Amino acid sequence: QVQLHESGPGLLKPSQTLSLTCTVSGGSISNGGYYWSWIRQHPGKGLEWIGYIYYSGNTYYNPSLKSRVIISIDTSRNQFSLRLSSVTAADTAVYYCATENVLIPAAHFDNWGQGTLVTVSS
Amino acid sequence: ETVLTQSPGTLSLSPGERATLSCRASQRVSSSYLAWYQHKSGQAPRVLIYGTSNRATGVPDRFSGSGSGTAFTLTISRLEPEDFAVYYCQQYGNSSYTFGRGTKLEIK
Repeated sequence: QVQLHESGPGLLKPSQTLSLTCTVSGGSISNGGYYWSWIRQHPGKGLEWIGYIYYSGNTYYNPSLKSRVIISIDTSRNQFSLRLSSVTAADTAVYYCATENVLIPAAHFDNWGQGTLVTVSS
Repeated sequence: ETVLTQSPGTLSLSPGERATLSCRASQRVSSSYLAWYQHKSGQAPRVLIYGTSNRATGVPDRFSGSGSGTAFTLTISRLEPEDFAVYYCQQYGNSSYTFGRGTKLEIK
């Protein structure tokens, strides 16, 4: 079972770009077995899927965020990353990276990182 | 987008009791694509049930899932102290994933 760990700045100002990295251990990001996702949770609210990337570089994003999101993958570092541009206070959330096992066609997230809080404030 | 509505928002029960959590969808959800998660503060969410009724690896058999169409249920047959947490349902459809707002299961 892979382990995931998010890292990145915890405080941003409005209009800046959020950049987070998820480091994968216990398995190779290139083995083709997972979709690599980002999910966030606004304070006191539910979870929101942001998007995923496959090892091939194929991506799919939540339509509501698509215009501001880029997810990329670095197979040499066993990492994948999230960039969210033009952030506002509404982007304040705990950001999680997570995996979806492509071998189990049930579209659920079976591994999660601990999450990292990103606060947007002037 | 498929909206998932979970009820109740908060459920107060005692250890040993049975918990029934509801998840209703704004449109039909494939039974293959409905999952439940347990989330404890400061921890990573943990998948309990996928494909409506399949327990994830290591999940005790006191957890069970059922339902179809737009109505799904997570049942915890006999609550243990470690079961008090927030529970989320999640669906996949129309190339997107959505979650419910959660049910907080608290000790009475």
